[in-house]
Amino acid sequence: KQEVTQIPAALSVPEGENLVLNCSFTDSAIYNLQWFRQDPGKGLTSLLLIQSSQREQTSGRLNASLDKSSGRSTLYIAASQPGDSATYLCAYKPANTGNQFYFGTGTSLTVIP
Amino acid sequence: EPEVTQTPSHQVTQMGQEVILRCVPISNHLYFYWYRQILGQKVEFLVSFYNNEISEKSEIFDDQFSVERPDGSNFTLKIRSTKLEDSAMYFCASSPTGVGDGYTFGSGTRLTVV
Repeated sequence: KQEVTQIPAALSVPEGENLVLNCSFTDSAIYNLQWFRQDPGKGLTSLLLIQSSQREQTSGRLNASLDKSSGRSTLYIAASQPGDSATYLCAYKPANTGNQFYFGTGTSLTVIP
Repeated sequence: EPEVTQTPSHQVTQMGQEVILRCVPISNHLYFYWYRQILGQKVEFLVSFYNNEISEKSEIFDDQFSVERPDGSNFTLKIRSTKLEDSAMYFCASSPTGVGDGYTFGSGTRLTVV
């Protein structure tokens, strides 16, 4: 059974701090992993997509890493800002279950000005 | 940047009624999906659609659900006889090709069954 665990469930940090969000998943054979941002009551905004052959991806202040052998991904946010406050979702696509993503329950981030 | 568009943003319906949720995927994408998120729970896969037919579906996607691409731009999810437990946020997504791609999600339709 595919499971995605995200730790911590909630995080509150002062503005300017660097932070790491963790995601673990149950399959070592995957197609890819995608990080999303979800604002309250809103849709899912794609942040980064990491393919199975990649170790990391970067976009601006965001860096996501992938370690398939240990079933882990991390999302690093540099110099956090109040506008980063949202829920961050990790989703992965196992290699043997077709074309669907499995989602974690997310990390709720609050950046305090 | 291309977007997936969903309408309506919020729909309230009486239990037992039929609802149709609408989506306009990104125009050059070939795969379309519906997911749902019950309040406070994980985002869950419902169905994927390719080449005018369902390619995968989850256990949630039972006989009360159906999907259709009625024309070249719209992709719809129909819930035939809504139940209270169908209340959720429903997300449409699309991807250019298949398993190697990430998804672009729409902003969702909040369905409330009363």
